[in-house]
Amino acid sequence: TQLLEQSPQFLSIQEGENLTVYCNSSSVFSSLQWYRQEPGEGPVLLVTVVTGGEVKKLKRLTFQFGDARKDSSLHITAAQPGDTGLYLCAGVGRSQGNLIFGKGTKLSVKP
Amino acid sequence: GAGVSQSPRYKVAKRGQDVALRCDPISGHVSLFWYQQALGQGPEFLTYFQNEAQLDKSGLPSDRFFAERPEGSVSTLKIQRTQQEDSAVYLCASSFLRSGEQFFGPGTRLTVL
Repeated sequence: TQLLEQSPQFLSIQEGENLTVYCNSSSVFSSLQWYRQEPGEGPVLLVTVVTGGEVKKLKRLTFQFGDARKDSSLHITAAQPGDTGLYLCAGVGRSQGNLIFGKGTKLSVKP
Repeated sequence: GAGVSQSPRYKVAKRGQDVALRCDPISGHVSLFWYQQALGQGPEFLTYFQNEAQLDKSGLPSDRFFAERPEGSVSTLKIQRTQQEDSAVYLCASSFLRSGEQFFGPGTRLTVL
């Protein structure tokens, strides 16, 4: 069974702080995706990482894919209240392309 | 040009009632996925359609859950004899290709009393 574990589950920080969210698995994934979900909405794709060791940047967000393609991290620099939301990592399942999600990290950034 | 839409957005059902949840995918998207998201959890896969064919229903939790996509566009997820543990947000996603980016709808929040 392919599982993704995210940590921390909850994170409450002040505006301007940095943070890192981790996504780990014992399985190898061909790619990992990061989503952000706001209350009452569906997840929205932020980035897909495909190559082991890959680093992608999206403004203040930096995404890394582990060399062995079993783990990934999301680093946010100088967090802002607008970054508040649920961050989900997901890998593509073996069968028909369905996504396997982690439980998510609920981020709250206070002004 | 609209995104994935779902209806109703909220549904309250008494235990034992049947419910039907609708998903309108992005026009032209071949693949359609249903996910269940319990409170405080990540979404969990329920079932997958390629056009009108249901190719994977391994995630459906019981035979009370049934999904269809008869014309390869709109899909309906039906839950018979609802139970309290069915309370969750049901998300629909569509993609142009099986392995392409999935675009999610806003979900239907089902509460079973």
